[in-house]
Amino acid sequence: EDQVTQSPEALRLQEGESSSLNCSYTVSGLRGLFWYRQDPGKGPEFLFTLYSAGEEKEKERLKATLTKKESFLHITAPKPEDSATYLCAVPSSGSARQLTFGSGTQLTVLP
Amino acid sequence: DTAVSQTPKYLVTQMGNDKSIKCEQNLGHDTMYWYKQDSKKFLKIMFSYNNKELIINETVPNRFSPKSPDKAHLNLHINSLELGDSAVYFCASSLQGAGGEQYFGPGTRLTVT
Repeated sequence: EDQVTQSPEALRLQEGESSSLNCSYTVSGLRGLFWYRQDPGKGPEFLFTLYSAGEEKEKERLKATLTKKESFLHITAPKPEDSATYLCAVPSSGSARQLTFGSGTQLTVLP
Repeated sequence: DTAVSQTPKYLVTQMGNDKSIKCEQNLGHDTMYWYKQDSKKFLKIMFSYNNKELIINETVPNRFSPKSPDKAHLNLHINSLELGDSAVYFCASSLQGAGGEQYFGPGTRLTVT
């Protein structure tokens, strides 16, 4: 059964304090890993796609990396506006269009 | 310009009622989805349509029926609402070949009393 596990569930950082979020997955034949950001009361917003181990993608203060078993979302010198829930997802073994989401990491960046 | 829109944003109704949620996308995508996000924030796929054809139908009660009148619209009709149906429902869309890059609507918070 496909599984996506994210840790920690919640993370509080001071502004400027860098850290990483983890997404570990169990899926047969990885066909990509996707990161989303979700703000309270809004729908998830697509951030990154990673396809192969060793791949990295960057956007502003965020950098996503991928290994054969997990992905990390590194946040460098975060700002309060980076506060959100970060979700990762993988296509299911059965259908590439069906995403299995993790439960997310709720990030709070304090000023 | 709203890419994926849903109406209504909030829906409060009583058990046993029938309700519909509408979704429209103006991105030119050919695949649309309905997700349910429960109180623990787990996002779970319910249905997916590609070019008006149902391609994913997860194990949801048959009280839930999606309808896609055209590629830009995917509506969700729910019969005989139950307390457990209370959740946030998200519509999303993507290009056929880019299933992981999905664009979500703002969500509809359904409360069944």
